[in-house]
Amino acid sequence: AQRVTQPEKLLSVFKGAPVELKCNYSYSGSPELFWYVQYSRQRLQLLLRHISRESIKGFTADLNKGETSFHLKKPFAQEEDSAMYYCALTGIGGYNKLIFGAGTRLAVHP
Amino acid sequence: DTEVTQTPKHLVMGMTNKKSLKCEQHMGHRAMYWYKQKAKKPPELMFVYSYEKLSINESVPSRFSPECPNSSLLNLHLHALQPEDSALYLCASSGLAGGNEQFFGPGTRLTVL
Repeated sequence: AQRVTQPEKLLSVFKGAPVELKCNYSYSGSPELFWYVQYSRQRLQLLLRHISRESIKGFTADLNKGETSFHLKKPFAQEEDSAMYYCALTGIGGYNKLIFGAGTRLAVHP
Repeated sequence: DTEVTQTPKHLVMGMTNKKSLKCEQHMGHRAMYWYKQKAKKPPELMFVYSYEKLSINESVPSRFSPECPNSSLLNLHLHALQPEDSALYLCASSGLAGGNEQFFGPGTRLTVL
């Protein structure tokens, strides 16, 4: 079964603290993994994709095929990071559906 | 233009009304998508159009009827909706096969009375 699991509905941290948003997946084949972010009153936007292996806004995510995980990390959280974060996957090649996790709301307090 | 636009932003309709949602992109993307998002839930795929042809229908009730008039436009025709259909309807587009990043529009917030 194709599934994305984000175990935490809410992650609450203080400014400057490290952040790790967990994402595990189940997929038969080679998926492409993404992190999307939805700030308050803004559209859903791509934050990271595992293929590009880049850091955006200080966030990084590494695909661990052995643990089927794609956790999102940031060493020092900022208040502006407060948002809803969705982990998602799709099959590589072709136009495929995005399968989203339930989402984790990150709240960064001053 | 690197954005997906959607109109209207808000829509209120009765259960007997017929209305349409519109989505437009000028990024040359050949795949377009409709998603439904309920409050505090992730988006759920409804339809995928690839090269202007319907390629995926996620068993969506027939009261939702998609249409792709050309490669830049995607419509969602609504008829005889139910109150439980109230949600944020998101349109997205993506580029060439293998480039799976989807670009999302701001959504149309639909309320069915």
